Amino acid sequence: DTEVTQTPKHLVMGMTNKKSLKCEQHMGHRAMYWYKQKAKKPPELMFVYSYEKLSINESVPSRFSPECPNSSLLNLHLHALQPEDSALYLCASSQRSLSGELFFGEGSRLTVL
Amino acid sequence: GENVEQHPSTLSVQEGDSAVIKCTYSDSASNYFPWYKQELGKGPQLIIDIRSNVGEKKDQRIAVTLNKTAKHFSLHITETQPEDSAVYFCAASIRGSARQLTFGSGTQLTVLP
Repeated sequence: DTEVTQTPKHLVMGMTNKKSLKCEQHMGHRAMYWYKQKAKKPPELMFVYSYEKLSINESVPSRFSPECPNSSLLNLHLHALQPEDSALYLCASSQRSLSGELFFGEGSRLTVL
Repeated sequence: GENVEQHPSTLSVQEGDSAVIKCTYSDSASNYFPWYKQELGKGPQLIIDIRSNVGEKKDQRIAVTLNKTAKHFSLHITETQPEDSAVYFCAASIRGSARQLTFGSGTQLTVLP
């Protein structure tokens, strides 16, 4: 069982909706990540938080807004998404952002209508 | 930047046979090479990793080999079982660097009963 928990598992939203994806880990990891994964493709890095501060933004459109309320929680706020944003959104954590040993959650399957 | 190529894209083997997946990388500075297994509907799970100061690492039926000179590394699964069926991703990074993992394109492994 994964120790990175993501909710919801599935989300369907319209292009004008505002929704949020949530991620939680209790392993004491100090780095947390958001990845986007399209079908039959590898995960693509979106954001990295290190010690609760945003350290990497891979030129992600502003309709995706990350938030790290504390060292255990990571949110991804979604607004005015496009159908091409439909994908599996994966949260991951690692002991440190320089570690490379990522622990992934099960993902949130997002469908934008 | 780093480029990781993974082959084959699909692999079918009979139960009990061995499976080999190969990856090459471009940046000689890369020193950390994890392998992830992603089952249908789940997030990637780290199954084994190797660092550049080691040529081979084994964990039960899974082994990884690294050839730094040729810049390639391979995943070997022996005595395959139906539950080994999944997508496998190799990756490369520079441990201790802010540069994040670069993933290969993935291999769909099917173990036929």
